[in-house]
Amino acid sequence: SQQGEEDPQALSIQEGENATMNCSYKTSINNLQWYRQNSGRGLVHLILIRSNEREKHSGRLRVTLDTSKKSSSLLITASRAADTASYFCATADSNTGNQFYFGTGTSLTVIP
Amino acid sequence: GAGVSQSPSNKVTEKGKDVELRCDPISGHTALYWYRQSLGQGLEFLIYFQGNSAPDKSGLPSDRFSAERTGGSVSTLTIQRTQQEDSAVYLCASSLPLRDRGRAFFGQGTRLTVV
Repeated sequence: SQQGEEDPQALSIQEGENATMNCSYKTSINNLQWYRQNSGRGLVHLILIRSNEREKHSGRLRVTLDTSKKSSSLLITASRAADTASYFCATADSNTGNQFYFGTGTSLTVIP
Repeated sequence: GAGVSQSPSNKVTEKGKDVELRCDPISGHTALYWYRQSLGQGLEFLIYFQGNSAPDKSGLPSDRFSAERTGGSVSTLTIQRTQQEDSAVYLCASSLPLRDRGRAFFGQGTRLTVV
Protein backbone atom coordinates (compact mmCIF):
# COMPACT_ATOMS: atom_id res chain seq x y z
CA SER A 1 0.00 0.00 0.00
CA GLN A 2 1.21 3.49 -0.70
CA GLN A 3 -0.82 4.91 2.11
CA GLY A 4 0.87 6.47 5.06
CA GLU A 5 0.35 5.72 8.67
CA GLU A 6 -0.53 8.15 11.42
CA ASP A 7 0.52 7.60 14.95
CA PRO A 8 -1.12 7.43 17.41
CA GLN A 9 -4.43 6.14 16.10
CA ALA A 10 -6.22 7.90 18.94
CA LEU A 11 -5.17 10.66 21.30
CA SER A 12 -7.02 12.16 24.24
CA ILE A 13 -5.76 15.29 25.99
CA GLN A 14 -6.96 18.06 28.29
CA GLU A 15 -7.83 21.45 26.89
CA GLY A 16 -4.78 23.69 26.87
CA GLU A 17 -2.32 20.86 26.35
CA ASN A 18 -0.37 20.35 23.17
CA ALA A 19 -1.22 17.52 20.77
CA THR A 20 1.37 15.85 18.59
CA MET A 21 0.53 13.52 15.74
CA ASN A 22 3.00 11.72 13.51
CA CYS A 23 2.78 10.53 9.95
CA SER A 24 5.00 8.12 8.06
CA TYR A 25 4.87 7.58 4.32
CA LYS A 26 6.48 5.38 1.71
CA THR A 27 7.04 7.25 -1.53
CA SER A 28 9.13 10.18 -2.70
CA ILE A 29 6.95 13.25 -2.37
CA ASN A 30 6.39 16.69 -3.84
CA ASN A 31 4.64 17.87 -0.72
CA LEU A 32 2.85 16.66 2.37
CA GLN A 33 -0.44 18.03 3.58
CA TRP A 34 -2.45 17.75 6.76
CA TYR A 35 -6.22 17.64 6.75
CA ARG A 36 -8.86 17.67 9.43
CA GLN A 37 -12.14 15.77 9.37
CA ASN A 38 -15.14 16.37 11.59
CA SER A 39 -17.83 13.76 12.04
CA GLY A 40 -16.69 11.51 9.20
CA ARG A 41 -17.53 13.96 6.44
CA GLY A 42 -15.49 16.23 4.19
CA LEU A 43 -11.87 16.95 4.92
CA VAL A 44 -10.56 20.46 5.40
CA HIS A 45 -7.05 21.38 4.38
CA LEU A 46 -4.90 22.67 7.24
CA ILE A 47 -1.37 23.12 6.02
CA LEU A 48 1.00 22.11 3.23
CA ILE A 49 4.74 21.62 3.54
CA ARG A 50 6.92 21.19 0.48
CA SER A 51 9.55 18.50 0.21
CA ASN A 52 12.34 21.06 0.46
CA GLU A 53 10.95 22.58 3.66
CA ARG A 54 11.63 21.26 7.14
CA GLU A 55 9.19 23.20 9.29
CA LYS A 56 6.14 25.33 8.79
CA HIS A 57 3.81 27.25 11.09
CA SER A 58 0.22 28.35 10.74
CA GLY A 59 -1.45 29.83 13.80
CA ARG A 60 -1.44 27.14 16.50
CA LEU A 61 -0.22 24.53 14.03
CA ARG A 62 3.38 23.51 13.55
CA VAL A 63 4.37 20.93 10.96
CA THR A 64 7.76 19.32 10.53
CA LEU A 65 8.98 17.16 7.69
CA ASP A 66 11.92 14.76 7.64
CA THR A 67 12.27 13.36 4.13
CA SER A 68 15.19 11.14 5.13
CA LYS A 69 12.92 9.34 7.59
CA LYS A 70 9.83 9.77 5.43
CA SER A 71 7.95 11.22 8.36
CA SER A 72 6.08 14.33 9.41
CA SER A 73 4.59 15.60 12.63
CA LEU A 74 1.70 17.93 13.34
CA LEU A 75 1.72 19.85 16.60
CA ILE A 76 -1.38 21.65 17.80
CA THR A 77 -0.52 24.01 20.64
CA ALA A 78 -2.88 25.16 23.37
CA SER A 79 -5.56 22.75 22.24
CA ARG A 80 -9.26 23.59 22.42
CA ALA A 81 -12.32 21.40 22.62
CA ALA A 82 -13.14 22.53 19.07
CA ASP A 83 -9.94 20.83 17.87
CA THR A 84 -11.60 17.47 18.48
CA ALA A 85 -11.54 15.77 15.09
CA SER A 86 -9.66 13.24 13.00
CA TYR A 87 -6.42 14.38 11.42
CA PHE A 88 -4.98 12.91 8.25
CA CYS A 89 -1.73 13.42 6.42
CA ALA A 90 -1.65 13.20 2.65
CA THR A 91 1.29 12.96 0.32
CA ALA A 92 1.62 13.78 -3.35
CA ASP A 93 3.85 11.26 -5.10
CA SER A 94 6.69 13.01 -6.90
CA ASN A 95 6.94 10.19 -9.43
CA THR A 96 3.37 10.06 -10.62
CA GLY A 97 2.09 13.39 -9.32
CA ASN A 98 -1.33 11.92 -9.89
CA GLN A 99 -3.05 11.65 -6.59
CA PHE A 100 -3.02 12.14 -2.88
CA TYR A 101 -2.20 9.20 -0.65
CA PHE A 102 -3.89 9.49 2.72
CA GLY A 103 -2.84 7.99 6.00
CA THR A 104 -5.17 6.18 8.35
CA GLY A 105 -5.75 9.17 10.57
CA THR A 106 -5.40 10.15 14.21
CA SER A 107 -8.56 10.66 16.20
CA LEU A 108 -7.99 13.56 18.60
CA THR A 109 -10.26 14.21 21.57
CA VAL A 110 -9.74 17.40 23.55
CA ILE A 111 -11.46 17.26 26.90
CA PRO A 112 -12.80 20.60 28.15
CA GLY B 1 -19.82 26.93 -7.28
CA ALA B 2 -17.97 28.01 -4.20
CA GLY B 3 -17.03 24.52 -3.13
CA VAL B 4 -17.21 20.87 -4.10
CA SER B 5 -20.80 19.69 -4.07
CA GLN B 6 -21.86 16.07 -3.71
CA SER B 7 -25.28 14.56 -4.03
CA PRO B 8 -27.12 12.89 -2.54
CA SER B 9 -25.91 13.54 0.99
CA ASN B 10 -27.28 10.20 2.13
CA LYS B 11 -28.40 7.19 0.17
CA VAL B 12 -30.00 4.01 1.44
CA THR B 13 -30.34 1.27 -1.12
CA GLU B 14 -31.24 -2.36 -1.23
CA LYS B 15 -28.59 -4.94 -1.91
CA GLY B 16 -28.37 -5.64 -5.61
CA LYS B 17 -29.56 -2.22 -6.75
CA ASP B 18 -27.43 0.22 -8.73
CA VAL B 19 -26.57 3.65 -7.34
CA GLU B 20 -25.16 6.83 -8.85
CA LEU B 21 -23.25 9.38 -6.83
CA ARG B 22 -22.62 12.83 -8.21
CA CYS B 23 -19.80 15.29 -7.70
CA ASP B 24 -19.63 18.91 -8.86
CA PRO B 25 -16.03 20.09 -8.51
CA ILE B 26 -14.82 23.62 -8.08
CA SER B 27 -14.88 25.47 -11.38
CA GLY B 28 -11.48 25.45 -13.03
CA HIS B 29 -10.15 22.48 -11.09
CA THR B 30 -8.79 20.03 -13.60
CA ALA B 31 -8.16 17.22 -11.12
CA LEU B 32 -11.00 15.24 -9.54
CA TYR B 33 -10.70 12.36 -7.08
CA TRP B 34 -13.05 9.84 -5.56
CA TYR B 35 -12.26 8.26 -2.22
CA ARG B 36 -14.14 5.83 -0.03
CA GLN B 37 -14.08 5.83 3.73
CA SER B 38 -15.48 3.03 5.81
CA LEU B 39 -16.51 3.74 9.39
CA GLY B 40 -13.50 4.73 11.47
CA GLN B 41 -11.07 4.05 8.65
CA GLY B 42 -8.77 6.07 6.45
CA LEU B 43 -9.44 7.19 2.91
CA GLU B 44 -9.29 4.57 0.20
CA PHE B 45 -8.43 5.92 -3.23
CA LEU B 46 -10.87 4.91 -5.97
CA ILE B 47 -10.28 6.91 -9.14
CA TYR B 48 -8.57 10.07 -10.36
CA PHE B 49 -9.36 12.29 -13.35
CA GLN B 50 -6.94 14.88 -14.69
CA GLY B 51 -8.06 17.05 -17.57
CA ASN B 52 -8.43 15.08 -20.77
CA SER B 53 -5.99 12.35 -19.73
CA ALA B 54 -7.12 8.78 -19.24
CA PRO B 55 -8.35 8.37 -15.67
CA ASP B 56 -6.37 6.44 -13.08
CA LYS B 57 -8.79 3.67 -12.16
CA SER B 58 -6.32 1.65 -10.16
CA GLY B 59 -8.26 2.01 -6.92
CA LEU B 60 -11.62 0.74 -8.09
CA PRO B 61 -12.29 -2.38 -5.97
CA SER B 62 -14.24 -4.34 -8.56
CA ASP B 63 -15.81 -4.09 -11.99
CA ARG B 64 -19.07 -3.13 -10.31
CA PHE B 65 -17.56 0.30 -9.80
CA SER B 66 -17.20 2.82 -12.60
CA ALA B 67 -16.91 6.55 -12.90
CA GLU B 68 -17.04 9.13 -15.60
CA ARG B 69 -16.39 12.81 -15.84
CA THR B 70 -18.33 14.64 -18.49
CA GLY B 71 -16.94 17.76 -20.10
CA GLY B 72 -14.12 17.88 -17.63
CA SER B 73 -16.48 18.97 -14.89
CA VAL B 74 -19.20 16.91 -13.18
CA SER B 75 -18.36 13.35 -12.25
CA THR B 76 -20.61 10.39 -11.54
CA LEU B 77 -19.54 7.32 -9.59
CA THR B 78 -21.72 4.32 -10.35
CA ILE B 79 -21.90 1.19 -8.25
CA GLN B 80 -23.76 -1.69 -9.82
CA ARG B 81 -25.36 -4.55 -7.93
CA THR B 82 -24.51 -3.01 -4.58
CA GLN B 83 -23.29 -5.20 -1.75
CA GLN B 84 -23.37 -4.55 1.98
CA GLU B 85 -19.61 -4.08 2.03
CA ASP B 86 -20.08 -1.08 -0.29
CA SER B 87 -21.59 0.81 2.64
CA ALA B 88 -19.28 3.75 3.32
CA VAL B 89 -18.91 7.48 2.88
CA TYR B 90 -17.87 8.33 -0.67
CA LEU B 91 -15.83 11.50 -0.82
CA CYS B 92 -15.06 13.58 -3.87
CA ALA B 93 -12.30 16.15 -4.07
CA SER B 94 -10.98 18.49 -6.70
CA SER B 95 -7.78 20.43 -7.10
CA LEU B 96 -5.50 22.15 -9.51
CA PRO B 97 -2.86 19.73 -10.83
CA LEU B 98 -0.69 18.45 -7.98
CA ARG B 99 2.45 19.51 -9.79
CA ASP B 100 1.10 23.03 -9.43
CA ARG B 101 1.07 22.38 -5.71
CA GLY B 102 -2.69 22.14 -5.62
CA ARG B 103 -4.41 21.30 -2.36
CA ALA B 104 -7.50 19.13 -2.39
CA PHE B 105 -10.92 20.57 -1.67
CA PHE B 106 -13.38 18.00 -0.44
CA GLY B 107 -17.12 17.74 -0.70
CA GLN B 108 -19.17 16.67 2.30
CA GLY B 109 -19.49 13.17 0.98
CA THR B 110 -22.32 10.77 0.25
CA ARG B 111 -23.08 8.29 2.99
CA LEU B 112 -24.15 5.09 1.27
CA THR B 113 -25.93 2.41 3.25
CA VAL B 114 -26.70 -0.89 1.57
CA VAL B 115 -29.37 -2.88 3.39
